[in-house]
Amino acid sequence: DAGVIQSPRHEVTEMGQEVTLRCKPISGHDYLFWYRQTMMRGLELLIYFNNNVPIDDSGMPEDRFSAKMPNASFSTLKIQPSEPRDSAVYFCATQQGPYNEQFFGPGTRLTVL
Amino acid sequence: KNEVEQSPQNLTAQEGEFITINCSYSVGISALHWLQQHPGGGIVSLFMLSSGKKKHGRLIATINIQEKHSSLHITASHPRDSAVYICAVRSHRDDKIIFGKGTRLHILP
Repeated sequence: DAGVIQSPRHEVTEMGQEVTLRCKPISGHDYLFWYRQTMMRGLELLIYFNNNVPIDDSGMPEDRFSAKMPNASFSTLKIQPSEPRDSAVYFCATQQGPYNEQFFGPGTRLTVL
Repeated sequence: KNEVEQSPQNLTAQEGEFITINCSYSVGISALHWLQQHPGGGIVSLFMLSSGKKKHGRLIATINIQEKHSSLHITASHPRDSAVYICAVRSHRDDKIIFGKGTRLHILP
């Protein structure tokens, strides 16, 4: 398996633009997590899915953020409109079962100018 | 006070030294996770623990549920162990995942 795949790896955009981050989980993994990492706040959980259903989205900063998992092999995290304070590295991670190790994607480094 | 506290925040040691990184938490948990983040930014899961002790190569993780404390040990440390080590817990009450701020480890050759 290729591991967790995220795209794009880097994204630079201007304030106000829509940004879509993508994640392909490891096949067979039923949990998918979206994290954000900044220097100020460290790692934060944004949302996680179990069997494609959002379980906890309390970490999503505000209505500008939305995440979907239309099927077991694909998830998106969308920011609309983007703001400079959204600049961060966004990680997707997946796991099989609730108490097994997580596998992280390489992350998407987002810069909003 | 943070619900997950790590110590030390920064640690510099000589190659070969035995390293201990600590994680204390204040909530009831169902699992604790140790992560390693390399200077390039990639994150690797090291251990998922709910009790006892786990070992993988030179890495050992222990957890004491009663004391709400976990330790990550590295034996015969090597410069390639230089990374940020992050402790994360899953709250038993609401299933939330809470991260520590990380311990930055630097092993000198």
